[in-house]
Amino acid sequence: GAGVSQSPRYKVAKRGQDVALRCDPISGHVSLFWYQQALGQGPEFLTYFQNEAQLDKSGLPSDRFFAERPEGSVSTLKIQRTQQEDSAVYLCASSANRGGVQKLFFGSGTQLSVL
Amino acid sequence: GQQLNQSPQSMFIQEGEDVSMNCTSSSIFNTWLWYKQDPGEGPVLLIALYKAGELTSNGRLTAQFGITRKDSFLNISASIPSDVGIYFCAGLRAQKLVFGQGTRLTINP
Repeated sequence: GAGVSQSPRYKVAKRGQDVALRCDPISGHVSLFWYQQALGQGPEFLTYFQNEAQLDKSGLPSDRFFAERPEGSVSTLKIQRTQQEDSAVYLCASSANRGGVQKLFFGSGTQLSVL
Repeated sequence: GQQLNQSPQSMFIQEGEDVSMNCTSSSIFNTWLWYKQDPGEGPVLLIALYKAGELTSNGRLTAQFGITRKDSFLNISASIPSDVGIYFCAGLRAQKLVFGQGTRLTINP
């Protein structure tokens, strides 16, 4: 596709429910990042993939958060047993270069609301 | 938590005015970036700065990388309605972007 695509665009979950958020990066992009953006704040780093390898997951807030990119393209961010504090916009970004954040393209995000 | 402080948090200006905003950090960054985010969209890169003291322009936008490597400034000249949005600074550390909390720009026509 022309840009980074994320789905769903909006997700409403009941507290305790599991959710899965999908990211389709720009074709051929090696690096993929997930960021969490709370209302009124800047994005915060969650995790980073280079191809299928998850090189940094230091930003994942708890073991309820899990990300994968099994074939080095599409990535899924899974949140188990969602809590109200998980409500945020989850942004995916990709880059053609290894660790190339300077040419990072962001998707429009998935807005997660946990009730 | 975030380590970058942006100011002001919001600005209300008249169309045609110049805009200045800044970003400070308690620690050094070797790369500074400025992004703009429109409602319902992801951030879009405006300017990247790679060297202390560097001054870089992109059209009506000019950004500077502070000498101490702990701050950066963004100026927008002759603002137009499409400049409305939230501007974020970000510092790069170990492949990770650390973002400020944003400056919301509103323009009165």
